[in-house]
Amino acid sequence: NAGVTQTPKFRVLKTGQSMTLLCAQDMNHEYMYWYRQDPGMGLRLIHYSVGEGTTAKGEVPDGYNVSRLKKQNFLLGLESAAPSQTSVYFCATRDLNEQFFGPGTRLTVL
Amino acid sequence: GQSLEQPSEVTAVEGAIVQINCTYQTSGFYGLSWYQQHDGGAPTFLSYNALDGLEETGRFSSFLSRSDSYGYLLLQELQMKDSASYFCAVRDSYGQNFVFGPGTRLSVLP
Repeated sequence: NAGVTQTPKFRVLKTGQSMTLLCAQDMNHEYMYWYRQDPGMGLRLIHYSVGEGTTAKGEVPDGYNVSRLKKQNFLLGLESAAPSQTSVYFCATRDLNEQFFGPGTRLTVL
Repeated sequence: GQSLEQPSEVTAVEGAIVQINCTYQTSGFYGLSWYQQHDGGAPTFLSYNALDGLEETGRFSSFLSRSDSYGYLLLQELQMKDSASYFCAVRDSYGQNFVFGPGTRLSVLP
């Protein structure tokens, strides 16, 4: 089992460009989350999903959109990237009280 | 709003015992989690406390006092591989999301 995987692992964007980060899971978990982590800080929730076809805003949703068309996939989109979105992005699933994190995507916006 | 406080850094020597504290102020509370994150890696789950008291898992123990809005992670018989950042996280009042603390960087010295 692969667990939680994220694509891509690294990406460099120019300001104004768009991109989509893909999160895939093979654990059949209903809950999925997107976080961002900035240097020396904890994780901040961007968006989350409680099941296929559902999404909801987290703490820092501005500038991001998400979709959960299939249970196993959770996509995070940046419509017009800004330097403030330079961060490490983590996807996670949840089973009861435990979250399972993907390896992360390191995004730099120039 | 919700906020969590942790010490930013803790240093200890191999074989010692260290305690990492977490205080929280939240509008609702389901439980307190702890995660470990090595540099460049993803957070991994350590423990979850929903009720007051001490939970022990091998060298790690976690404690919760709901009346004091306080918890701690206790690491015994420290090893070099325990050098990492440790995050507490509160499961919010709806039970769907987790709010993470800023993290405590633990350095274990030989």
